[in-house]
Amino acid sequence: DAGVIQSPRHEVTEMGQEVTLRCKPISGHDYLFWYRQTMMRGLELLIYFNNNVPIDDSGMPEDRFSAKMPNASFSTLKIQPSEPRDSAVYFCASSKQENIQYFGAGTRLSVL
Amino acid sequence: AQSVTQLDSHVSVSEGTPVLLRCNYSSSYSPSLFWYVQHPNKGLQLLLKYTSAATLVKGINGFEAEFKKSETSFHLTKPSAHMSDAAEYFCVVIIPGDTGRRALTFGSGTRLQVQP
Repeated sequence: DAGVIQSPRHEVTEMGQEVTLRCKPISGHDYLFWYRQTMMRGLELLIYFNNNVPIDDSGMPEDRFSAKMPNASFSTLKIQPSEPRDSAVYFCASSKQENIQYFGAGTRLSVL
Repeated sequence: AQSVTQLDSHVSVSEGTPVLLRCNYSSSYSPSLFWYVQHPNKGLQLLLKYTSAATLVKGINGFEAEFKKSETSFHLTKPSAHMSDAAEYFCVVIIPGDTGRRALTFGSGTRLQVQP
């Protein structure tokens, strides 16, 4: 398996623009997680899904953030409108039955 | 409630000397514990896991960790550091079967530097 695949690897955008981050989990995994990593806050869990259903989105910072999982092989994290303080590395991870999580390489987002 | 405390934000060792990265946890239930490593500009990679089997767990790249319930610790060790071990290490606690974000808790990370 190719592992968890995230795209794009890098995203540079201007404040106010919409940003969409994409994730393809490992085939057969039933949990998918979105994390954000910054120097100030470390690694934060934003939201996670089980069988494509959002289970806990209490980590999503505000209404500008939304995440979807239309099927078992694809998820998106959207920020609209983006702000400079959203600049971070966003990781997607997947797991089987909420056990070992396998991480993607991350998307480095810079909002100017 | 559960929590993970990594006692050192930075650890510096010389190449060839032992590594000790400390992790303490608190949990009302029997936890699963993990160590992840993150190299610069990379995602997180699983080093090893403890899930109530043997208390001494061996992982990749010569790392191992010992689960000590009496001390609520899960320290990561390696007998001899290599330059390629320089990275950030995260201790993670998961409560099997629990749901909600309380079930997934990452430590704040320990940055390991290896001096030549």
